Amino acid sequence: QKEVEQNSGPLSVPEGAIASLNCTYSDRGSQSFFWYRQYSGKSPELIMSIYSNGDKEDGRFTAQLNKASQYVSLLIRDSQPSDSATYLCALYSGGYNKLIFGAGTRLAVHP
Amino acid sequence: DGGITQSPKYLFRKEGQNVTLSCEQNLNHDAMYWYRQDPGQGLRLIYYSQIVNDFQKGDIAEGYSVSREKKESFPLTVTSAQKNPTAFYLCASSIRGGPGQGSSTDTQYFGPGTRLTVL
Repeated sequence: QKEVEQNSGPLSVPEGAIASLNCTYSDRGSQSFFWYRQYSGKSPELIMSIYSNGDKEDGRFTAQLNKASQYVSLLIRDSQPSDSATYLCALYSGGYNKLIFGAGTRLAVHP
Repeated sequence: DGGITQSPKYLFRKEGQNVTLSCEQNLNHDAMYWYRQDPGQGLRLIYYSQIVNDFQKGDIAEGYSVSREKKESFPLTVTSAQKNPTAFYLCASSIRGGPGQGSSTDTQYFGPGTRLTVL
């Protein structure tokens, strides 16, 4: 079992819709969770961080964390073509003492 | 202007040649990291340093070497022992390293990357 699993996509959504990106993980000791956005050929850019169960909202982005079920998700409201990118889920694993990344989900927002 | 810089942006290596990738940060972060990314794949940790004059191997350290003589700088050398070095190399830093704190000190920020190609 991979430590951090994401659907590779592509996830295709129309402009203005809600995009839902999901991530599951195996290490129950994980404490810090992150979503990064990566445009093609560029470096990852931090979008959201979340540390406790529940929802965290920042503008059009909402991160949701459920430690009991071991998943973290990212919702993007009013999706724009400029949101088209690969979204990387990452978590800080206490057991491994490092940040572990998923392979990413490619999001395509079409007009 | 605070941030992380990497140079060069593009680098070409001949067979049997060592090359060094630069990473500098002015964020006053204690911890620095080097990752490798191959097409369509996630990031893999090469080396990390939690404090000056100390560093640890990551998951794929073979064929790479690092130094941490200054807090601001964490250069990566790709040696001739690395047989498949063509990849996108990313440097990152965080306020603190070590066990996850469940706080913003765990957050890693990335430089713009160096794309290395073997000729």
